[in-house]
Amino acid sequence: AQSVTQLGSHVSVSEGALVLLRCNYSSSVPPYLFWYVQYPNQGLQLLLKYTSAATLVKGINGFEAEFKKSETSFHLTKPSAHMSDAAEYFCAAYSGNTPLVFGKGTRLSVIA
Amino acid sequence: EAGVTQSPTHLIKTRGQQATLRCSPISGHTSVYWYQQALGLGLQFLLWYDEGEERNRGNFPPRFSGRQFPNYSSELNVNALELEDSALYLCASSPPGQQANYGYTFGSGTRLTVV
Repeated sequence: AQSVTQLGSHVSVSEGALVLLRCNYSSSVPPYLFWYVQYPNQGLQLLLKYTSAATLVKGINGFEAEFKKSETSFHLTKPSAHMSDAAEYFCAAYSGNTPLVFGKGTRLSVIA
Repeated sequence: EAGVTQSPTHLIKTRGQQATLRCSPISGHTSVYWYQQALGLGLQFLLWYDEGEERNRGNFPPRFSGRQFPNYSSELNVNALELEDSALYLCASSPPGQQANYGYTFGSGTRLTVV
């Protein structure tokens, strides 16, 4: 069964610093991969998705992620953090006819 | 287009009671998914409905059940509520056959508190 691991339940960065949130998937068959963001007391919003077209995927709000098959990774990055980026981020994978599997989430704090 | 709508936004129930949560998918979306987000546990898959049928079920006891109506809206029922059922319940939808390419659109959730 597919599983998704997000390294670090909490990441803290300074405003203007690089954001790096890590995600690894377990399947030997590269799945479709997604990053979602959740602001307090809200649902999840899709940031970006990998569907095998291009390994570097650009999303909303300046985020991007790179699919690396050799590392079974799909890490999320943003060159310069803003205060408004503070939220919880979830990586998810889809493979086969089963629902999306989510990682446990990484809470991003941005320090002024 | 209208997004995924969930009602109520908050629900407070007493242990042992039943809770009913409702979800309306985006127009044209036939698949509805329910997830439980309990504190510190991430998103746990509950149920998947498509075209009125239950397609998949997560590792939850039978007192968690639901259904999908002909207009593709859905409800989640939780019987014999326990304190640990307190969580944010998220509903999501996707177009027919488009889980992989589209992903899901989520509603804002129903916050269930069991006291």
